[in-house]
Amino acid sequence: NAGVTQTPKFRVLKTGQSMTLLCAQDMNHEYMYWYRQDPGMGLRLIHYSVGEGTTAKGEVPDGYNVSRLKKQNFLLGLESAAPSQTSVYFCASSWGPKSYEQYFGPGTRLTVT
Amino acid sequence: AQTVTQSQPEMSVQEAETVTLSCTYDTSESDYYLFWYKQPPSRQMILVIRQEAYKQQNATENRFSVNFQKAAKSFSLKISDSQLGDAAMYFCAYLWTGTASKLTFGTGTRLQVTL
Repeated sequence: NAGVTQTPKFRVLKTGQSMTLLCAQDMNHEYMYWYRQDPGMGLRLIHYSVGEGTTAKGEVPDGYNVSRLKKQNFLLGLESAAPSQTSVYFCASSWGPKSYEQYFGPGTRLTVT
Repeated sequence: AQTVTQSQPEMSVQEAETVTLSCTYDTSESDYYLFWYKQPPSRQMILVIRQEAYKQQNATENRFSVNFQKAAKSFSLKISDSQLGDAAMYFCAYLWTGTASKLTFGTGTRLQVTL
């Protein structure tokens, strides 16, 4: 099993450009999450999904959109990137209700210039 | 809203010694979990230890143990016999067993291990 994978690992964008980060898990997990990690602020939840076709906002959702068309994939989109979105992005997944361990991907470092 | 506070941005310990990392949290819920995650320079988030709030016994995992004080809302991590490989960022995290099992993280403590 590959576990949780993220594509790409690094990306540099110019302000106003768009991009999609892909998260894939091969563990048949029900729940998936997107976090961002900024210096001195820990990880903060952007959006999450409790099942295929469902998404919900987390703590810092502005400027991002997500989709979960397939159970194994969770996409994070930036429609018009801003320098404030420079961060490391982590995807995580878990089995679902009553399962509290989240499995994390390796992260994507995004720089917006 | 739940909050998690780690008041030690950096800590240092000598190899083979013991170090304790502090964490406090704020919640009005009674059913929750607490975690310590390790993040080495590789960036990978690694679960170190987990504590269920309903359990009075403190969790232990080899050299890692916690001191869980539910009334004080305190959750510290003790690392015994520190090793060079323990050097990393350590994050305390809270999870309410309600909707969607969302994690709330503290700001982290950077642990240095010296010879």
